[in-house]
Order: sequence, then structure tokens, then C-alpha cells
Amino acid sequence: KQEVTQIPAALSVPEGENLVLNCSFTDSAIYNLQWFRQDPGKGLTSLLLIQSSQREQTSGRLNASLDKSSGRSTLYIAASQPGDSATYLCAVRETSGSRLTFGEGTQLTVNP
Amino acid sequence: DAMVIQNPRYQVTQFGKPVTLSCSQTLNHNVMYWYQQKSSQAPKLLFHYYDKDFNNEADTPDNFQSRRPNTSFCFLDIRSPGLGDAAMYLCATSREPTYEQYFGPGTRLTVT
Repeated sequence: KQEVTQIPAALSVPEGENLVLNCSFTDSAIYNLQWFRQDPGKGLTSLLLIQSSQREQTSGRLNASLDKSSGRSTLYIAASQPGDSATYLCAVRETSGSRLTFGEGTQLTVNP
Repeated sequence: DAMVIQNPRYQVTQFGKPVTLSCSQTLNHNVMYWYQQKSSQAPKLLFHYYDKDFNNEADTPDNFQSRRPNTSFCFLDIRSPGLGDAAMYLCATSREPTYEQYFGPGTRLTVT
């Protein structure tokens, strides 16, 4: 059974700092990995999708990497802003089936 | 433009009184999902439709049912809500080849 772990569970940083969020998964046979952002009481917003054949994806200040062999992904946020404060969720889609397995998320607070 | 729409955004129902949540999408995606998310937890997949094919998760209670009358709409029926069913219910869609999931804003269900 696939298990996804995100470390740390919570992170507080000053504005302008570069930061890395970590995601690990137990079964490397994944189809793709998706990073989401969730604001309190809201739905999930897709940030980046990495296919199993890719090593990284970039969107603006965000860069996500994938190392399938080690079962790890990182989300790098450059020059953090207070508006980046949210919970960040990592989810993997397994090769078989359509199920996304989510991590518990990292709650990020960026202080002005 | 809203792509995945959920109605209502907030729903209050009484213990044991049936309730229906709705989801519609303008993306023409063939896969639709229903997730349950409780406070500070990861979303939990209840079931999904791949085209017209219904796929129930093994641990989804019988109290939860779903209908998909056409590509654009999907409904979640809770036949006899209990206090433990109070949660955020999230609808998502995806399609081949990436199966990137797009989420709606969610419906917050309160059971009194």
C-alpha cells in the first residue's frame, strides 16, 4: 500500500526566505506526482504536476523535483511571500488505477 | 472562470436527514472524484467515475452513494448523515494522458 509522508508538518519562515518542502513515498511505481496548495476552508489548487519520466517542473517561483528511485520529491519556493502561507499537499498517482494518495501536508506560514 | 463548481458551498443538515451535494465541470474531463476531508487531515477518496464506470473505495461506507447523469455533473448522496460525516467534501476531475486533478472549492457539511 502506497504511503506518502511530508516533512515538516509545519514551517514558519520570514518573508524573502527560500524554502524546501519534502515529500516521500514508499512505492516508486508511480504514474505522476502532483503538488497542491490549500488555503483554510478552501479547495485544492494544483501547483505542479511531474510525470514519472520527468525530473523537475517549474512554475514562477516554484520548482518541484522528483527522484523516483529514492521515493522523494521536493517543492522549492523562492523568495517566499506572506501570500504563500497555506498548506501544501503532495499526492502520487499510482501506475494502476486513478487513485491519488495524499500526504498529510505541510502548513507554511510566511511572516512579514 | 470556474472550472469545477460545487454547490452548495455550505450545507447544514440534521442527523439522519438525507443530503445531496452537487458538482459540475466545464473541462469535459471523463474522470470525476469525490473526496472527504476532515479538519487537518489529507483528503480521503470516497469513489470515482471513469466515464460511466463507478469505482467505489473499499472502505467507503454504504451510507455514501453517487450518481453521474452525464459528463458534466456528479452528485454525492449521504443517505443518513451522522455526526461523524461532518467534513469538507471535495469534487475533482481529470483526463488522460496526465490525469492532473482539478478540484472544486468544496462543500462544508455540518450535521446537527
